[in-house]
Amino acid sequence: GQNIDQPTEMTATEGAIVQINCTYQTSGFNGLFWYQQHAGEAPTFLSYNVLDGLEEKGRFSSFLSRSKGYSYLLLKELQMKDSASYLCAVRDPFTGGSYIPTFGRGTSLIVHP
Amino acid sequence: DGGITQSPKYLFRKEGQNVTLSCEQNLNHDAMYWYRQDPGQGLRLIYYSQIVNDFQKGDIAEGYSVSREKKESFPLTVTSAQKNPTAFYLCASSPNGDDSRETQYFGPGTRLLVL
Repeated sequence: GQNIDQPTEMTATEGAIVQINCTYQTSGFNGLFWYQQHAGEAPTFLSYNVLDGLEEKGRFSSFLSRSKGYSYLLLKELQMKDSASYLCAVRDPFTGGSYIPTFGRGTSLIVHP
Repeated sequence: DGGITQSPKYLFRKEGQNVTLSCEQNLNHDAMYWYRQDPGQGLRLIYYSQIVNDFQKGDIAEGYSVSREKKESFPLTVTSAQKNPTAFYLCASSPNGDDSRETQYFGPGTRLLVL
């Protein structure tokens, strides 16, 4: 089975840094994705991690520790437009077919002035 | 412009009625997927298809049906057997569905409401 946990909601101040955590328990592991989803819109791809360590991409970074079943998404220099839901998704080759990721419930991030 | 389109944006269903949600992609992707999203829930997989004329059930296929007669099209029918159809439906595609690094591309979604 699979279990993916994220905080339901977080708030932060414009210009600050926020870290959104994701923990997972899966039979196998073949990559972790982070997506951003604005209300009523489609999720858009942010990052992919399959090896341990930090992947940096502009204001966004994603970290993975496979031994701990843990990832985080780090958002720097927060802007109001970063207010959105952030979805963690894990690929488990032993569950489902065709490397289809399983999604967590998402973390709703509210950025206030 | 390449991408995924879903229509309509909003859809209303009456009791006992079947409705069909459209999903079209011009990305030349082999794999297509349907997800359902409820408030406070993650995306749950309804059906997926890796190739034309073949599709597989996901985690919550009951009350839904699909077809994949063309590579670019993957319509989803919400049947009257689906007792709680109100949700946001997302269609996605990926190049061939069997590469672990592959990213899914999502359509804009259809919000289905029951009258």
